[in-house]
Amino acid sequence: KAGVTQTPRYLIKTRGQQVTLSCSPISGHRSVSWYQQTPGQGLQFLFEYFSETQRNKGNFPGRFSGRQFSNSRSEMNVSTLELGDSALYLCASSSDSSFYGYTFGSGTRLTVV
Amino acid sequence: GENVEQHPSTLSVQEGDSAVIKCTYSDSASNYFPWYKQELGKGPQLIIDIRSNVGEKKDQRIAVTLNKTAKHFSLHITETQPEDSAVYFCAASSAGANSKLTFGKGITLSVRP
Repeated sequence: KAGVTQTPRYLIKTRGQQVTLSCSPISGHRSVSWYQQTPGQGLQFLFEYFSETQRNKGNFPGRFSGRQFSNSRSEMNVSTLELGDSALYLCASSSDSSFYGYTFGSGTRLTVV
Repeated sequence: GENVEQHPSTLSVQEGDSAVIKCTYSDSASNYFPWYKQELGKGPQLIIDIRSNVGEKKDQRIAVTLNKTAKHFSLHITETQPEDSAVYFCAASSAGANSKLTFGKGITLSVRP
């Protein structure tokens, strides 16, 4: 079956702009989580959506937001981009409320210039 | 919240030797401990996991051990091969609707041919 698909793979944006990233989970998976990965900080949890509801949230500023659609696809948005937002953004999906079988996508590499 | 520490941060071994990567966690309520392998340009991939009611689990050349008393768990790779070179992440989570999967910062394993 198809894995977790993230689009686009690469993105270059200017400071102050906003960006929207997309994640299509594995078919049948209802939970989608987003992570920011940077060399110094590792994998930092952003938020999790389950059945269109945000169920959990990490310690990121309000500039980072997300949503999930009825088909479980999810988007995350970052407004007023800062240089420090440059990172690999990963999403992961699972079928239920647990982390068993948690599957990651290949990520979107965001560069803010 | 949960804190997962991973050490060492880098590890280099000779092909054919064994590699051991250790992680410690802080939350005694954590009951699920997965290990992920991340190759260049890809998202993390689940390679093995263990639940708190099991002390050890093996899958071919890899194994994971858990010591709940000491709150640490380890990944063992035997007969290492160059394709084992990657970044390895450990993680921990507890059960519950608001649980998160907390990752260590990752270790870069290099297998010298």
